[in-house]
Amino acid sequence: DAGVIQSPRHEVTEMGQEVTLRCKPISGHDYLFWYRQTMMRGLELLIYFNNNVPIDDSGMPEDRFSAKMPNASFSTLKIQPSEPRDSAVYFCASSPQGLSTDTQYFGPGTRLTVL
Amino acid sequence: AQSVTQLGSHVSVSEGALVLLRCNYSSSVPPYLFWYVQYPNQGLQLLLKYTSAATLVKGINGFEAEFKKSETSFHLTKPSAHMSDAAEYFCAVRTTSGTYKYIFGTGTRLKVLA
Repeated sequence: DAGVIQSPRHEVTEMGQEVTLRCKPISGHDYLFWYRQTMMRGLELLIYFNNNVPIDDSGMPEDRFSAKMPNASFSTLKIQPSEPRDSAVYFCASSPQGLSTDTQYFGPGTRLTVL
Repeated sequence: AQSVTQLGSHVSVSEGALVLLRCNYSSSVPPYLFWYVQYPNQGLQLLLKYTSAATLVKGINGFEAEFKKSETSFHLTKPSAHMSDAAEYFCAVRTTSGTYKYIFGTGTRLKVLA
């Protein structure tokens, strides 16, 4: 299994630009999570999906952030417009349904720098 | 609301010495608790989890943690540190109320001295 795949691994953009981060979960996993990691705030859950449906988006910082999961094998996190304070490492994680739902598998992350 | 507090943002131990990383939780309902490890430039990897079964939980790489309700603690231990254990460790909690919303601690960076 290839694990959780995230792209791009690094993204450098200018303030005001749209940024799209992509995630492919492990095949067969029903849960998908988006996290943000910064030095100041640590690791924060932004949103999670179950069977492609957003369940809890209370961690999404503001309307500039949006996440979609059009099918079981793909999710995006979009920031529009981006700001320097959005600079962080964004992780995607997936987990299966049932007793192992708490075992999350993290991707390698996307390091976003907004200039 | 649930939260976790990790005492000590940096911990140094000698190779072969006991590793003890501290985590205290706050939860109004019985919690589920987790320890994750993060190596440089990588995502997090689950070490172990407590989900209300045995209070002493054994994980990967020789780590274990004990759930102590009276102390609201879930400290991570390993009898003998290896150089390869150098990494950042995160404690996390989630409520048992059905949501899969996880709250992570601020992390403890473990340094292993030769």
